[in-house]
Amino acid sequence: DVKVTQSSRYLVKRTGEKVFLECVQDMDHENMFWYRQDPGLGLRLIYFSYDVKMKEKGDIPEGYSVSREKKERFSLILESASTNQTSMYLCASSHYRSGANVLTFGAGSRLTVL
Amino acid sequence: DAKTTQPNSMESNEEEPVHLPCNHSTISGTDYIHWYRQLPSQGPEYVIHGLTSNVNNRMASLAIAEDRKSSTLILHRATLRDAAVYYCILKQVEANNLFFGTGTRLTVIP
Repeated sequence: DVKVTQSSRYLVKRTGEKVFLECVQDMDHENMFWYRQDPGLGLRLIYFSYDVKMKEKGDIPEGYSVSREKKERFSLILESASTNQTSMYLCASSHYRSGANVLTFGAGSRLTVL
Repeated sequence: DAKTTQPNSMESNEEEPVHLPCNHSTISGTDYIHWYRQLPSQGPEYVIHGLTSNVNNRMASLAIAEDRKSSTLILHRATLRDAAVYYCILKQVEANNLFFGTGTRLTVIP
């Protein structure tokens, strides 16, 4: 019973290409997040959204943008992919803010930029 | 944001209890303590969380020190499927997001 679905597990793109990473959740969660994970650096927050059409920058938003047109869908966009954006990208969602709200993660999308 | 300190790696024998420590000496009074784990080739999954009292669920137990400056995740009987990276995270009451560190890599030896 997959609840957070990331559209692609593996992608290979070329430098300069525009890349879309899609994430869909079926739990009616208000909050959605995009993280990237790199060896030795743990997970770093790129962007998050707490409502439709709302977005907030995380720790490392440079080079990325996001789109949330519907509550269940949160897209991460790399306008012009670069090799330093090769990484594992993880989408997550949670209910509206509270001290104890729990994140549910997708399986991840491994992006390689050549 | 308050930080957590965890050992980089730990080993445990299968079917033995495992105690994963976490130090968070700068924790504030309203920070929740969350634990997540990440199995190979998967996204992180929620394990347990607590504020002040010890907590138990079907996956694990969380023991929180009286001064809240440290906590311990307890797996009562480690199985090979528990081999993962375990993250201890402090979550502020009003924050929406979690800040992950590098966690503890748990190896379970058959």
